[in-house]
Amino acid sequence: GENVEQHPSTLSVQEGDSAVIKCTYSDSASNYFPWYKQELGKRPQLIIDIRSNVGEKKDQRIAVTLNKTAKHFSLHITETQPEDSAVYFCAAIDNYGQNFVFGPGTRLSVLP
Amino acid sequence: KAGVTQTPRYLIKTRGQQVTLSCSPISGHRSVSWYQQTPGQGLQFLFEYFSETQRNKGNFPGRFSGRQFSNSRSEMNVSTLELGDSALYLCASSSTVNSPLHFGNGTRLTVT
Repeated sequence: GENVEQHPSTLSVQEGDSAVIKCTYSDSASNYFPWYKQELGKRPQLIIDIRSNVGEKKDQRIAVTLNKTAKHFSLHITETQPEDSAVYFCAAIDNYGQNFVFGPGTRLSVLP
Repeated sequence: KAGVTQTPRYLIKTRGQQVTLSCSPISGHRSVSWYQQTPGQGLQFLFEYFSETQRNKGNFPGRFSGRQFSNSRSEMNVSTLELGDSALYLCASSSTVNSPLHFGNGTRLTVT
């Protein structure tokens, strides 16, 4: 089955700096890769996603890149703000298109 | 459109008891998935239902079961509770395959 690894597990950046979180997946048939943000005590919320026919996608300060050959995808956050502090989860969907496998999460702290 | 609704928000149970959690998906969403979230294990997939049929099941013991009703509402049952079952149980719905999951606020289960 699919396996998703995520690095780093914790990340601290100064406000205004960029943050990058990387994930690798094992199943080459996976074709959909969402990213979720979970603030303390709240539910995970989708912040950006990418499909396998696209190499990069941007939404304001957030971007995701996908390298299908290497089977890894990354989340890039520019001009970080304190409200970006949260746990971020990457995920890949299995080849049935039904079961999301999540990475273990990255705790991002943006220091003022 | 109302989001995914989970009830109850909090539960405290004793070892050996059983518990039933409820999830109402977003209107029109026919797929409902359940996840267990613990600090050390991240988001672990329990099972997924579509049109009252369980399509996928994660690696959890048979004490964990679920069902889905004709109106897409889903319930999850855990029998013979163990201390290790203490966790946040998240329900998520989606409209079709390969589409984003929308999470509820979760039910926090504490087993004493």
